[in-house]
Amino acid sequence: SAVISQKPSRDICQRGTSLTIQCQVDSQVTMMFWYRQQPGQSLTLIATANQGSEATYESGFVIDKFPISRPNLTFSTLTVSNMSPEDSSIYLCSAKTGEETQYFGPGTRLLVL
Amino acid sequence: AQSVTQLDSHVSVSEGTPVLLRCNYSSSYSPSLFWYVQHPNKGLQLLLKYTSAATLVKGINGFEAEFKKSETSFHLTKPSAHMSDAAEYFCVVRGGNKLTFGTGTQLKVEL
Repeated sequence: SAVISQKPSRDICQRGTSLTIQCQVDSQVTMMFWYRQQPGQSLTLIATANQGSEATYESGFVIDKFPISRPNLTFSTLTVSNMSPEDSSIYLCSAKTGEETQYFGPGTRLLVL
Repeated sequence: AQSVTQLDSHVSVSEGTPVLLRCNYSSSYSPSLFWYVQHPNKGLQLLLKYTSAATLVKGINGFEAEFKKSETSFHLTKPSAHMSDAAEYFCVVRGGNKLTFGTGTQLKVEL
């Protein structure tokens, strides 16, 4: 299994600013992912964080808006750039070990004013 | 491409009565299916998973789900609801390394 922590747990930001969310896993994992959960909605995959190379983004998400880093096998960051109120969401980090199971962090609750 | 449809956005049961949360899936190959639970202001927790082994899958907290290929269903059940079961439940299908989430079912448990 894997235990995932995220920082910050929540934040309130002004529009036009950027926020970087950190994700730390307690063990080496094969894959890491970033999801968004907009208010009252389900989870949507933003991107797969690839270790040592550029992230793989899903349709509708771009690197300029959501730059992602993954410098090693246990850590990743997601930046939400040039924020607007529409970016208010829960952002969740996820990791997959060699098993079938994908584990999730507690989420970062972002409110953009 | 794969998808899941959760047939009920809200389910309300009385404590001690059975729980049924319905999920249908669509997948072009043999799917891996999961149920996750999200309690208020908490992260997602895996309840159970189906990965082409036994069709009746037992999970944590007394939940189980049955994979029925002929009906393309993966309904979640529990014989007796507890107040602590009140949460949002997500049915999830995996295609490759990508998880596709259903829209969620909010379970309410009343005294």
